[in-house]
Amino acid sequence: SQQGEEDPQALSIQEGENATMNCSYKTSINNLQWYRQNSGRGLVHLILIRSNEREKHSGRLRVTLDTSKKSSSLLITASRAADTASYFCATDGGAFYSGGSNYKLTFGKGTLLTVNP
Amino acid sequence: DAGVIQSPRHEVTEMGQEVTLRCKPISGHDYLFWYRQTMMRGLELLIYFNNNVPIDDSGMPEDRFSAKMPNASFSTLKIQPSEPRDSAVYFCASSTTTKTDRVLAEAFFGQGTRLTVV
Repeated sequence: SQQGEEDPQALSIQEGENATMNCSYKTSINNLQWYRQNSGRGLVHLILIRSNEREKHSGRLRVTLDTSKKSSSLLITASRAADTASYFCATDGGAFYSGGSNYKLTFGKGTLLTVNP
Repeated sequence: DAGVIQSPRHEVTEMGQEVTLRCKPISGHDYLFWYRQTMMRGLELLIYFNNNVPIDDSGMPEDRFSAKMPNASFSTLKIQPSEPRDSAVYFCASSTTTKTDRVLAEAFFGQGTRLTVV
């Protein structure tokens, strides 16, 4: 079953605008990750935010995390045509064992972002 | 490191045939994940391994699917017999835990195998 659910399912904007995508999840987490997928390619990691963090930045990316609401958002500022891709959030299942680890990385269905030149 | 390597990139097979997908994870990674991606169901986790041991195979759709990881540098996903509804892109990804707090680090994906069963 999918752990994360992104919305919107599709987003179309003009170059230079900001794009915001949201993710909701169901169980506890240790961290939440965002990935990007260009058509027909494998997923590429963008950013990881830990459960004790509320906000994180990387270049034009800004991620927020609200564990009380079990939600996260990804903001891409000053979008470019090259940002056109699908974006996914992923959670690790929340299990943690001091003697080892047992992480189940599951993905939502993604948001298809189209940035028009 | 060349990244996660999957083979073949494309596979077309007839219904009823056995299909074997292969994956070589990044050296040193102790987690390996197999996913299936379709338009209808999105990216589904089929099974994952930790230190070559299968941890959770609850996503494997049927007994026709099986996966193995005989050593740290190789894994296979087998479908026998294959059916048209198995047509999808299958991804392998590998990861490890962070040294600081031992949570799961970023996963690296292969380019996928596009399987078509006719």
